[in-house]
Amino acid sequence: AQSVTQLGSHVSVSEGALVLLRCNYSSSVPPYLFWYVQYPNQGLQLLLKYTSAATLVKGINGFEAEFKKSETSFHLTKPSAHMSDAAEYFCAVSGLTGGGNKLTFGTGTQLKVEL
Amino acid sequence: DTAVSQTPKYLVTQMGNDKSIKCEQNLGHDTMYWYKQDSKKFLKIMFSYNNKELIINETVPNRFSPKSPDKAHLNLHINSLELGDSAVYFCASSHQGDRSYGYTFGSGTRLTVV
Repeated sequence: AQSVTQLGSHVSVSEGALVLLRCNYSSSVPPYLFWYVQYPNQGLQLLLKYTSAATLVKGINGFEAEFKKSETSFHLTKPSAHMSDAAEYFCAVSGLTGGGNKLTFGTGTQLKVEL
Repeated sequence: DTAVSQTPKYLVTQMGNDKSIKCEQNLGHDTMYWYKQDSKKFLKIMFSYNNKELIINETVPNRFSPKSPDKAHLNLHINSLELGDSAVYFCASSHQGDRSYGYTFGSGTRLTVV
């Protein structure tokens, strides 16, 4: 079985500050991991994904994440927060069940960016 | 040119009614999903279809019945709506068996049962 845990349901940063959103995973198979962003009243948009190639993954909007097997972590970072980054962020892990490709999501982290 | 489109975007209805949500994807994916997002933003998978075959059926009341007429369409019919069904329902699509692919999501249907 696969699962992810997102530490911190709310994170607040100042504009220009480092963004760090935490995700730890549990997986019985080599994990494929994803970060999605959800802006208010919108669907989920893929930010980046880890698929066992490079451990440091770069995504859209200046975000990146590092896969650390020893820590079972896949934390999302951005060097300098922008007001437009305020959104809900979801970490997810991919598993196979009954032949289907099933994404299991964490509980989400709401990012607030303050002036 | 929308990749995954859902209709309607908003749905307000009374308890006991029956309603349907429709989803269509033009990405050529072979697998489609329904997820429910509750008021705390928690996302839970409900169903998945691959080429019109039901492959994932989580613990969902049997008032919820998905239907996939072809691999580009997945509809969700809900009978006897209850207050607890109020949520945002997301459709998504992907490729079966490719765990690296991820999903493409629609913009959601906000269902409010009054």
